[in-house]
This record gives sequence, C-alpha cells and structure tokens, in this order.
Amino acid sequence: DAGVTQSPTHLIKTRGQQVTLRCSPISGHKSVSWYQQVLGQGPQFIFQYYEKEERGRGNFPDRFSARQFPNYSSELNVNALLLGDSALYLCASSASGGSNYGYTFGSGTRLTVV
Amino acid sequence: DQQVKQNSPSLSVQEGRISILNCDYTNSMFDYFLWYKKYPAEGPTFLISISSIKDKNEDGRFTVFLNKSAKHLSLHIVPSQPGDSAVYFCAAGGGANNLFFGTGTRLTVIP
Repeated sequence: DAGVTQSPTHLIKTRGQQVTLRCSPISGHKSVSWYQQVLGQGPQFIFQYYEKEERGRGNFPDRFSARQFPNYSSELNVNALLLGDSALYLCASSASGGSNYGYTFGSGTRLTVV
Repeated sequence: DQQVKQNSPSLSVQEGRISILNCDYTNSMFDYFLWYKKYPAEGPTFLISISSIKDKNEDGRFTVFLNKSAKHLSLHIVPSQPGDSAVYFCAAGGGANNLFFGTGTRLTVIP
C-alpha cells in the first residue's frame, strides 16, 4: 500500500516566483493537511482540507493557498516567494477530519528559495 | 508564541539504558498529545499518543506520561536501541483539527 506521496521531492525557486506542491493521500483517507517545517523548528500548520473543504488555516499570509480535488489529492500554492519560505513542506493524511488519531506524513518537499 | 516546547535540543543515551524526552505546553485546552519520530529525509512517523483523561500510555518499549497540573509530558524508551536514534517531536491538539509541534529533540543512542 502506497503511503502519502509528495512531489516534487526537491525544488529550487527564485524570489518572487510561484510554486505548486502536490500531495496524494493514503487510499481511503479523505483529509489532507499541510505543514511547513523550517530548519531547526517543528512543523507548523498551514491548512487542512477534508472532503474538499477547507477545515482549518494556520497563521500564514494569503500568498499561501491550497485546494483538494475530488480524488482527495491536494495542491499547495505559494505566490511571490520570499527567502523565508525556504522549508520542508509536509503533507499529512488521515481518515477523518480529526488529527487525534495520528496523521501519516509524507516525506515532504524541500523548497529552497534563492 | 510557542505553545509546545521541547527544551532539550539533544540527548545522548547508552544502548540498553532509558531515554527520557520531555515536553511542556502552555495551552490548557489541549486534550490529546502525540509523539512523532523523524529520520532524515523522511516525514515524521507517529509513535504514541495520550488523551488528557489518562496519565500514562504504554506501547512496547515506549511509554508516555502526562502531568496535566504541570502541563508536562514525557516519553520513556526502555531499553534504548541504536535504531531509536532520530529527532523526536512532541505535538498537542484540541478542538481544532491541527497539531502544535515542539522544536524537537535529537536522540542519539550510543552502541
């Protein structure tokens, strides 16, 4: 059984550019959450989607947006990239909308903004 | 504002001994807590959790203790094995569908 898959694994972008990160949840999981992990910090919540609806949003600027598709895969978009957006972006899926059962995380997309 | 804190960035333990990783939180509304383990180039892996109605949860070599009055939880690993060497994150949640993570503790188990 495939776990949570994220693409691409690594990405280098220039300041001001836009980036799209992709996530496929575990089969049967309807909830996808996005987290940002800056070096030396713990993951920080960006978005949660459940059944294609936004269920939660963290303290991130409007440059960050996301959506979930009918097949429950998800995309995270970041516009007008800043150097500070350089981080590991983690996608997590769960069967239900709640996170108390323990997410399953993907391996992440390492974004470097230069 | 860091609602979940792991004040020890690193910990070294001899193989076979006990590893104790600590975590403090500030938000009394948190009602469940989780520990994740992370290896380099991988996403965090769920390890063990505890609900706020319990003070202890055990799973094999891993035990999590919760002290609500002190807003403190700890993860005990007994006996520690070299394969346990990883970064351990404490996380907390409650109400909303997201988790708050600590900054992690790097555990090194020395053979």
